[in-house]
Amino acid sequence: AQKVTQAQTEISVVEKEDVTLDCVYETRDTTYYLFWYKQPPSGELVFLIRRNSFDEQNEISGRYSWNFQKSTSSFNFTITASQVVDSAVYFCALNRAGGTSYGKLTFGQGTILTVHP
Amino acid sequence: DTEVTQTPKHLVMGMTNKKSLKCEQHMGHRAMYWYKQKAKKPPELMFVYSYEKLSINESVPSRFSPECPNSSLLNLHLHALQPEDSALYLCASSQQGPLNYGYTFGSGTRLTVV
Repeated sequence: AQKVTQAQTEISVVEKEDVTLDCVYETRDTTYYLFWYKQPPSGELVFLIRRNSFDEQNEISGRYSWNFQKSTSSFNFTITASQVVDSAVYFCALNRAGGTSYGKLTFGQGTILTVHP
Repeated sequence: DTEVTQTPKHLVMGMTNKKSLKCEQHMGHRAMYWYKQKAKKPPELMFVYSYEKLSINESVPSRFSPECPNSSLLNLHLHALQPEDSALYLCASSQQGPLNYGYTFGSGTRLTVV
């Protein structure tokens, strides 16, 4: 069975602070995909990143960066110099690759990020 | 076009009503999904369609009836719903297999059952 744990239920920061959202996952698959999604109050799930289990390179996209560590089954997400527009619920998710790879996305419980001006 | 469009955005229905939710994408994706999301919870998968055929039904009650008329459209027919079915219903699409670079979600339909 697959499981994704986001231990931080809510995080509150002041604008320009850096913030890291933690994600720990469990899977018996050797090949899988990890995702991060952002859900603003409007409701839409906005795709941020997909990471293949064989690719442990960290990635940076503007103010966003991701740290994938297979040894600790973690896929953490850091926002540098946070802005009010970053306020949203962030979900980490896991999907098996191969076979029915279009199947079920397993989501973490989500982390509510509030950035105060 | 890189969007998944869902209509209506909001829906209020009585427990004896019949209504339908609609989802449309023109990205050439051959997998489409319905998710249900309760407040302050993550999305939960309901159905998966692959090449217009139902491939996964997560033991959803029969009062929810999905339909995939063609590769661009996905409907969710609702009948005799209960108040606890009130939620955000999200549609998503993706490519298949190794081409699956991610799931594209619509903005959802907020359903209230009274």
